[in-house]
Amino acid sequence: TQLLEQSPQFLSIQEGENLTVYCNSSSVFSSLQWYRQEPGEGPVLLVTVVTGGEVKKLKRLTFQFGDARKDSSLHITAAQPGDTGLYLCAGAGLSGNTGKLIFGQGTTLQVKP
Amino acid sequence: DSGVTQTPKHLITATGQRVTLRCSPRSGDLSVYWYQQSLDQGLQFLIQYYNGEERAKGNILERFSAQQFPDLHSELNLSSLELGDSALYFCASSVVGLAADTQYFGPGTRLTVL
Repeated sequence: TQLLEQSPQFLSIQEGENLTVYCNSSSVFSSLQWYRQEPGEGPVLLVTVVTGGEVKKLKRLTFQFGDARKDSSLHITAAQPGDTGLYLCAGAGLSGNTGKLIFGQGTTLQVKP
Repeated sequence: DSGVTQTPKHLITATGQRVTLRCSPRSGDLSVYWYQQSLDQGLQFLIQYYNGEERAKGNILERFSAQQFPDLHSELNLSSLELGDSALYFCASSVVGLAADTQYFGPGTRLTVL
């Protein structure tokens, strides 16, 4: 059983379309992080959300943390081919105040020109 | 470039063998983490060290062990290798190893067990 359920697992869209990726859990996290991973490389942190209800924007990317700190979403506006990659959500704080991250299964995004 | 280095980049070995993966954290980071990424399990936390001491443990197999040395580099030892151990192994580092820390990931070691 996945502690963090991420959906959809695969997404193929045309350039210019909008999309949303969801990350859901029955557990409460102290923070939720979103990473992007390119083939052959390690994950790179995009954003960390800490407060319930928090919304953060990074250019065309909007991240939201649920009020109860159990879920999060990533919305991309006007997707571009450069957005193609694997997007991972990760929760922290389930195992006391350690750095242990629980990752979702990931969303593979393909943006076609 | 995250500043975290991992060696080797690729490793091909046979079942039953033992390998050692090495990680050097970013300058100034005291905590290192090891993660395993496979197609069916995704990215799974293995173990965390802070300043040489184990801080958190995930579902790390008994055949696997790790340590962090006084110079803060870390090694992950995998023994009695099985086909299912084939995966990408990532090391990450952070400043103090707490939940609010940002973790920086290395480029990974791709392990293939034949």
